[in-house]
Amino acid sequence: DSGVTQTPKHLITATGQRVTLRCSPRSGDLSVYWYQQSLDQGLQFLIQYYNGEERAKGNILERFSAQQFPDLHSELNLSSLELGDSALYFCASGGGLAKNIQYFGAGTRLSVL
Amino acid sequence: AQTVTQSQPEMSVQEAETVTLSCTYDTSENNYYLFWYKQPPSRQMILVIRQEAYKQQNATENRFSVNFQKAAKSFSLKISDSQLGDTAMYFCAFREWSNNNDMRFGAGTRLTVKP
Repeated sequence: DSGVTQTPKHLITATGQRVTLRCSPRSGDLSVYWYQQSLDQGLQFLIQYYNGEERAKGNILERFSAQQFPDLHSELNLSSLELGDSALYFCASGGGLAKNIQYFGAGTRLSVL
Repeated sequence: AQTVTQSQPEMSVQEAETVTLSCTYDTSENNYYLFWYKQPPSRQMILVIRQEAYKQQNATENRFSVNFQKAAKSFSLKISDSQLGDTAMYFCAFREWSNNNDMRFGAGTRLTVKP
């Protein structure tokens, strides 16, 4: 168990809808990273938050947004969903005692029908 | 921008044998971290091993070891005494020295351990 909690594990929704993915980091970690993994592909970095502030942005679509709350949990909001958004979305946390390591949650599998 | 290349999409190995997965990367940085993550069928991302670029000694974790060649920008993973549970996707990843940077992942190598 990595200590990173992601909910829900699975999401099935329709095109055009909006969903929210939630991530609770490991105790003591200040950074949260979001990644997207499409079928049989590597992980693509979306966005990072550090102690409530956006720190880095990757290939995140304008339809996607994220935030980190005072208790350090983070939410990734995906709107106007398209079929191509179907993927596994990972959250990772870091920045704690093991500063150079990112620990991954189990992921949320999003299926857009 | 840093890129990570894994040139072996798929590999297989017989149980108890040794296999080496290749990874190369491109960076202009002098200090950075390199990682190997394992993704079994459960899809969980599991850290296998990490290497700090400033360390000359290759990292080792039980049956897993790396061959880090900084000048060649190469970071291969050797799995000794392969076990059926080693069957997974293996991703090589690069991260800059700064604490707040994301990781760049390779496309992955699918390893199958055969009984």
